[in-house]
Amino acid sequence: DAMVIQNPRYQVTQFGKPVTLSCSQTLNHNVMYWYQQKSSQAPKLLFHYYDKDFNNEADTPDNFQSRRPNTSFCFLDIRSPGLGDAAMYLCATSLRDGRPFFGSGTQLSVL
Amino acid sequence: DAKTTQPPSMDCAEGRAANLPCNHSTISGNEYVYWYRQIHSQGPQYIIHGLKNNETNEMASLIITEDRKSSTLILPHATLRDTAVYYCIVRVDNNDMRFGAGTRLTVKP
Repeated sequence: DAMVIQNPRYQVTQFGKPVTLSCSQTLNHNVMYWYQQKSSQAPKLLFHYYDKDFNNEADTPDNFQSRRPNTSFCFLDIRSPGLGDAAMYLCATSLRDGRPFFGSGTQLSVL
Repeated sequence: DAKTTQPPSMDCAEGRAANLPCNHSTISGNEYVYWYRQIHSQGPQYIIHGLKNNETNEMASLIITEDRKSSTLILPHATLRDTAVYYCIVRVDNNDMRFGAGTRLTVKP
């Protein structure tokens, strides 16, 4: 049973057109993470939520925003996607100090 | 920051043990070592984690040196399906999980 669900699996957007990626979880974990993974690179942490506390990585561009309306859902908003934002976006969840569970990712293409 | 160093790639013969090293010389006393792997185009998969003692589960064994400055992930009988990128991660703060470059393991027939 899928526990961390990312939709859609593939997303195509146009240069400069805002796009939202979604993540939901059935684990009731209080921490949710967003990672960006470009081709042949390791996942890079963008930000995470501990409950409603938002923690931004220092080098995450302002173009990336996130929302967590409740425990189960978290969204990644890319306000003005550029060609360099094409990547796999991974969502993960965990309990505090627990091991993260990852979703299958959303592959974003920017045309 | 505690960071990790792994060899970029390794080969292993099918059926043999795969031993993947990781250096984390700046690890702090309460930081765990996690191992994940990622098969192409999939989300990372948890393998094992540990603090001080060696750990074993159905997938692998984790050997942590006494000074905790390095560890080794052991896949006892590697199969072709174990071909993946393996990441050793030291958890810096309570909620941060930052990946290093990883080791690309290729299991060969």
